[in-house]
Amino acid sequence: RKEVEQDPGPFNVPEGATVAFNCTYSNSASQSFFWYRQDCRKEPKLLMSVYSSGNEDGRFTAQLNRASQYISLLIRDSKLSDSATYLCVVNPNTGTASKLTFGTGTRLQVTL
Amino acid sequence: DVKVTQSSRYLVKRTGEKVFLECVQDMDHENMFWYRQDPGLGLRLIYFSYDVKMKEKGDIPEGYSVSREKKERFSLILESASTNQTSMYLCATGGYGTDTQYFGPGTRLTVL
Repeated sequence: RKEVEQDPGPFNVPEGATVAFNCTYSNSASQSFFWYRQDCRKEPKLLMSVYSSGNEDGRFTAQLNRASQYISLLIRDSKLSDSATYLCVVNPNTGTASKLTFGTGTRLQVTL
Repeated sequence: DVKVTQSSRYLVKRTGEKVFLECVQDMDHENMFWYRQDPGLGLRLIYFSYDVKMKEKGDIPEGYSVSREKKERFSLILESASTNQTSMYLCATGGYGTDTQYFGPGTRLTVL
């Protein structure tokens, strides 16, 4: 089983739609969780951290469910500029500070 | 703003050549990382360093070595390049005690 699993997509949605991605992780001791965004042929960039209480940043909402070991990202009112690959990222708490495990990404395509 | 630069955006080398990829950061970060990214496999950690002259193996260190003589500079070395090392190489940095990583623009290496 992969340490971090994501549906690769692509998710094709019209502008204005709401779309949600899920990600599961295998290590129950994992301590930190993130969503990164990667545009085509560019480097990954931090989108948001994910907290147990959930957090929101504008149109983006991230949730963590420790009991079920999954993380979600909800995007409301999708824009063309949201088209990208979204990477689920976990610190598996292996004792090595700051070592992260990346999912393979979910590709989102927002269309007119 | 964190700035992470990589020595080349595109590189073409021949099998057996020694290849140097360099990463420089201007944020005084202790942690530096080298990843490779391949379709369907996501980002995989090759090596990382949490201090000058310190290095730790990541998940796929075989065929690679690293050097960190100065805090701001982290080099990845392919001792004898092979075709299966054709990939996108991404450098990242992060501050002590934090999980957030900042990526450079990447080097797309082709080994012929």
